[in-house]
Amino acid sequence: DAGVIQSPRHEVTEMGQEVTLRCKPISGHNSLFWYRQTMMRGLELLIYFNNNVPIDDSGMPEDRFSAKMPNASFSTLKIQPSEPRDSAVYFCASSTSRDRLETYGYTFGSGTRLTVV
Amino acid sequence: DAKTTQPNSMESNEEEPVHLPCNHSTISGTDYIHWYRQLPSQGPEYVIHGLTSNVNNRMASLAIAEDRKSSTLILHRATLRDAAVYYCILVGRNNFGNEKLTFGTGTRLTIIP
Repeated sequence: DAGVIQSPRHEVTEMGQEVTLRCKPISGHNSLFWYRQTMMRGLELLIYFNNNVPIDDSGMPEDRFSAKMPNASFSTLKIQPSEPRDSAVYFCASSTSRDRLETYGYTFGSGTRLTVV
Repeated sequence: DAKTTQPNSMESNEEEPVHLPCNHSTISGTDYIHWYRQLPSQGPEYVIHGLTSNVNNRMASLAIAEDRKSSTLILHRATLRDAAVYYCILVGRNNFGNEKLTFGTGTRLTIIP
């Protein structure tokens, strides 16, 4: 199992440009989460999906951020236009729930380090 | 969200056991207790989780108090590679699947050679 795969690993972009981060969850996992980590704010949940449907997007900072999950094997997080304060490490995670009684460990990707200059 | 309280930092000597405490006095009956750790420059990594009974796996043991208001992550023999930030998180279930993980500040564990 290759785990949760994120791309790119590093992204440097100029302010105002569009940035797209990608995530491939573990096959068979039905929940997907996007997190952002900064020194000041720690790990923050941006949005999460269950069965490809967005459940909670209250952590999305503003309209410049959008996330999609067109199918069970792919999700994107887009920032348009990007700003220097968006610089952070963005993590994607996935999990499964095989029954209503048990919840299983969440698996995180290696993250995308975004720098907006 | 039910909250957890952990010490900001702890130190331990290499090759000795480490007990990382977590208080969660407002835990609900359906919340699972999850532990994750984050090594430098890596994403969080699942360590262990439990509901009521103590749990063991290849990485660690989880001791859960009888009233479930606290738990302890036990690393039986710490190595330098165990130096990380350890997060204790309560995870519930919703009607759609797994609930979100809400991270606190965790405990930064330093291992002394």
